[in-house]
Amino acid sequence: QVQLVQSGAEVKKPGASVKISCQTSGFTFTGYYIHWVRQAPGQGLEWMGIINPSGDKATYAQKFQDRVTLTRVASTTTVYMEMRSLRSEDTAIYYCARADAYNYYWFDAWGQGTLVTVSS
Amino acid sequence: FILTQPHSVSESPGKTVTISCTRSSGSIGSNYVQWYQQRPGGAPTNVIYEDTQRPSGVPDRFSGSIDGSSNSASLTISGLKTEDEANYYCQSYDNFQVFGGGTKLTVL
Repeated sequence: QVQLVQSGAEVKKPGASVKISCQTSGFTFTGYYIHWVRQAPGQGLEWMGIINPSGDKATYAQKFQDRVTLTRVASTTTVYMEMRSLRSEDTAIYYCARADAYNYYWFDAWGQGTLVTVSS
Repeated sequence: FILTQPHSVSESPGKTVTISCTRSSGSIGSNYVQWYQQRPGGAPTNVIYEDTQRPSGVPDRFSGSIDGSSNSASLTISGLKTEDEANYYCQSYDNFQVFGGGTKLTVL
């Protein structure tokens, strides 16, 4: 079955970086976009960015343009989200979600989420 | 653009509830609207895609629509069950993906 399994919770200090993985299975990896969405405590969903099926193009929400990098490794069917210069406001649950190549706007399967806590 | 949802709605079991999602600029019909359910402590799951379509496994109690006159989309849940209690988010896009602020549905 379709699975997106994310790496475990992280605790980071302000100014540090974090890299979260999203390991996929049960579908053709190169046929799907992967989005990243975050959710601050008690808040709504916030779209961060998307990486294309071949991994050679990523698009970011303006807010994250300078601090986030999305990459993907076909050999391990894993997608990564790296965020730099962390601040307390980045404390949130981070989700990966897939969308197929023809319907990139439809998030049809989600990872379980990774909690990132930024605290001194 | 912004998608505006009511902060909360409540209704009794067995009744019908409708959650709105209003697009601030641009036509609601120009890009598909999706709806996601998020139960406490869980990841979102898709309940409606492409305005009106239900993914397999989603009960037909869930339906979606759009209204050009109000520039809004709606999620309607009929025959409410206590298990429907959750946060619901609409989502659409132009060059970027946009989520509504979410609506907390209470079934009491």
